[in-house]
Amino acid sequence: AQSVTQLGSHVSVSEGALVLLRCNYSSSVPPYLFWYVQYPNQGLQLLLKYTSAATLVKGINGFEAEFKKSETSFHLTKPSAHMSDAAEYFCAVSDQGSSNTGKLIFGQGTTLQVKP
Amino acid sequence: DSGVTQTPKHLITATGQRVTLRCSPRSGDLSVYWYQQSLDQGLQFLIQYYNGEERAKGNILERFSAQQFPDLHSELNLSSLELGDSALYFCASSANVNTEAFFGQGTRLTVV
Repeated sequence: AQSVTQLGSHVSVSEGALVLLRCNYSSSVPPYLFWYVQYPNQGLQLLLKYTSAATLVKGINGFEAEFKKSETSFHLTKPSAHMSDAAEYFCAVSDQGSSNTGKLIFGQGTTLQVKP
Repeated sequence: DSGVTQTPKHLITATGQRVTLRCSPRSGDLSVYWYQQSLDQGLQFLIQYYNGEERAKGNILERFSAQQFPDLHSELNLSSLELGDSALYFCASSANVNTEAFFGQGTRLTVV
């Protein structure tokens, strides 16, 4: 079975500081991995995805993530936080390659707070 | 705007009642997914339809059912509602099972 663990339910950074949100996955097959962002009272927006091509994936709004198979990790980073980055972030793994339905298994989410 | 439309945005209903949530996928997307987001359970996959047929089932209660119509819109039916069913229900769609899913704004269900 596939699963995702996000380390840290709350992360607080100062504006301009590095953002690092941690995600570890478990999958018996090569995973498809995603980061989604949810702003208050809104749906989930795709930030970036890894689908077995380049291990360093660039997404929207200056975010990127690196797939590390040896560490089963897919951490999300951004060099300089903006106030507008404050939101909840979800890491997810898809079942492409196993049951292949495309359904997503989500982590518990990390709330990012950006302090002025 | 993701292109996925969910109605209604908010729904308040009493215990024991039945409600229907509606989802219109992005134009051309064949796959529709339903997810439930609650404080205690997080984001949980409920059910998936692909081109009108059920493709996968997750943690969906027997009191809940869904269908996808020939025009590809989908409905999630929740019956005999309990307080614990209060949650945000998301619909997502994708072109096929190997492409990323786009989420609607969700329907916030409050059972009182």
